[in-house]
Amino acid sequence: KQEVTQIPAALSVPEGENLVLNCSFTDSAIYNLQWFRQDPGKGLTSLLLIQSSQREQTSGRLNASLDKSSGRSTLYIAASQPGDSATYLCAVRQQGYSTLTFGKGTMLLVSP
Amino acid sequence: DAGVIQSPRHEVTEMGQEVTLRCKPISGHNSLFWYRQTMMRGLELLIYFNNNVPIDDSGMPEDRFSAKMPNASFSTLKIQPSEPRDSAVYFCASTRDRNQPQHFGDGTRLSIL
Repeated sequence: KQEVTQIPAALSVPEGENLVLNCSFTDSAIYNLQWFRQDPGKGLTSLLLIQSSQREQTSGRLNASLDKSSGRSTLYIAASQPGDSATYLCAVRQQGYSTLTFGKGTMLLVSP
Repeated sequence: DAGVIQSPRHEVTEMGQEVTLRCKPISGHNSLFWYRQTMMRGLELLIYFNNNVPIDDSGMPEDRFSAKMPNASFSTLKIQPSEPRDSAVYFCASTRDRNQPQHFGDGTRLSIL
């Protein structure tokens, strides 16, 4: 059974810092991996989706990498801003399945 | 382009009552997912529909939970009878296909007293 772990569970940084969020998964036979953002009281917003054949995806100040063989993904946020404060979740889709397995998220607080 | 629409946003009811949560997926999306989120267990898949047909309901906790998708634009999740341990945020998500991201609604915050 696939398990997804996110470290750290919480992170507090001053504005302007570059930061890295980590995601690991136990079964490397994945189809793709998705990073989401969740604001308090809201649903999840998809940030980046990386197919298993890809190594990274970029969107603005966000860069997600995938190392399938080692079961790891990182989300890099450049020049963090208070508006980046949210919970970030990682989810993987197994090969042959259409459903996602989620990590429990990293709660990020960026202070002005 | 309207996103996934869920109703109600909040529901507070007494133990034993029937609860019905509603979801309208994004038009053109043929897969729909119901999730439950709690602090202890995180986000868990309850059931998944493809082309209105339930494909995987292994996450449905017990027979008190049921879900339907009578057409491509509407789904319900019903709990009968409800119990305090069902208190959680319930999310609906949809996607066009498995190569595309899932899009989530804002959820229904359910409190069973």
